[in-house]
Amino acid sequence: GAVVSQHPSWVICKSGTSVKIECRSLDFQATTMFWYRQFPKQSLMLMATSNEGSKATYEQGVEKDKFLINHASLTLSTLTVTSAHPEDSSFYICSARTGGAQRNQPQHFGDGTRLSIL
Amino acid sequence: QKEVEQDPGPLSVPEGAIVSLNCTYSNSAFQYFMWYRQYSRKGPELLMYTYSSGNKEDGRFTAQVDKSSKYISLFIRDSQPSDSATYLCAMGTGNQFYFGTGTSLTVIP
Repeated sequence: GAVVSQHPSWVICKSGTSVKIECRSLDFQATTMFWYRQFPKQSLMLMATSNEGSKATYEQGVEKDKFLINHASLTLSTLTVTSAHPEDSSFYICSARTGGAQRNQPQHFGDGTRLSIL
Repeated sequence: QKEVEQDPGPLSVPEGAIVSLNCTYSNSAFQYFMWYRQYSRKGPELLMYTYSSGNKEDGRFTAQVDKSSKYISLFIRDSQPSDSATYLCAMGTGNQFYFGTGTSLTVIP
């Protein structure tokens, strides 16, 4: 149980392109999903918390106009990197929390998206 | 001071060894503790989740929490090459969780 699917797993695109990444909870409903960025050999950096039906909460230093998050249903959150540039190249990982409104439940992660901007 | 401290390693052990991975934390309000395993180019996979002091065992894995010392451990018995990965600790309150930087483990056949 608690499977999170993330798509695409790898994307390469030209500078200036917008890229959309999908995160789906396959066997549970997720009122809260999280988006992380991970640089090589470093830990997870929380970018934003996505709540179903409301605006995402962004961490300090993360540009909300650059990283658009939509959580339109209990099983799907999307992250759109707008006008991507080479410095946006990274490994992006989403997670979803089980337990509905229970905040103490652990997060379950997708397999990540490797984004390479040329 | 970081919320969570974790030795990045790398840690290299022979197959069959007992592995001990550790994290310390500074916030006494933390109640929930997790260990994740992350293979290269994959997302973290939840291994253990606990919210009390003491030990929790699952197969070859034992999670230990000492709230008085603000110290948690993950023990891996009879380590296998397939255990080679980065292990992340995570902990927090009900509102927010914090991740360690991860410990890279290699189990040598």
